[in-house]
Amino acid sequence: QVQLVQSGAEVKRPGASVKVSCKASGYTFTEFYIHWVRQAPGQRLEWMGWINPNGGGTDYAQKFQGRVTMTRDTSINTAYMDLRSLRSDDTAVYYCARVIVGAVSMAYWGQGTLVTVST
Amino acid sequence: DIQMTQSPSSLSASVGDRVTITCQASQDISNFLNWYQQKPGKAPKLLIYVASNLETGVPSRFSGSGSGTHFTFTISSLQPEDIATYYCQQYGDLRPITFGQGTRVEIK
Repeated sequence: QVQLVQSGAEVKRPGASVKVSCKASGYTFTEFYIHWVRQAPGQRLEWMGWINPNGGGTDYAQKFQGRVTMTRDTSINTAYMDLRSLRSDDTAVYYCARVIVGAVSMAYWGQGTLVTVST
Repeated sequence: DIQMTQSPSSLSASVGDRVTITCQASQDISNFLNWYQQKPGKAPKLLIYVASNLETGVPSRFSGSGSGTHFTFTISSLQPEDIATYYCQQYGDLRPITFGQGTRVEIK
């Protein structure tokens, strides 16, 4: 069965960086885009961008341009999301998600990674 | 950016009631619209994709309809396990993909 397993919770200082991993199993990693979505406490879901594991192409929401980098390592079926220059309003649960065939519909989600930015 | 506006923001209904949530897009998104269910502390779960298609394994009491800018999500007979927040998500414009603000469903 398809599974996405994310790395554990992180606590960071303002100005630091965080790198969240998302290990995929149960399917061919290079055949489906991985999206990253975050959710601040009590807020709506917010799309950050996607990575195509086949080739590594990416697209980021303009809000995160210059601060986010999405990468992948196909040898270990893992996608990464690196967010820099963290601020307190980056405190959120970060999710990776895999889409279905032919639609940008996120059918498989990681368990989420809580990133807390605090002094 | 395409704005997605859900209504109501919250609702309270009895077990067995029919529940309807609407999602309005600020621009035409054809049928590029998904619905998700999120329970507290959990990741979202895809229920409906491409406006009206029921995801595999999702109970048939959930349904979706609409196209263009106006979409509807319905629970035909509310069950206690349906207590959650529901989100619509558009991908008619991928730059960026956007979600509605959510509708919290509670049992009366």
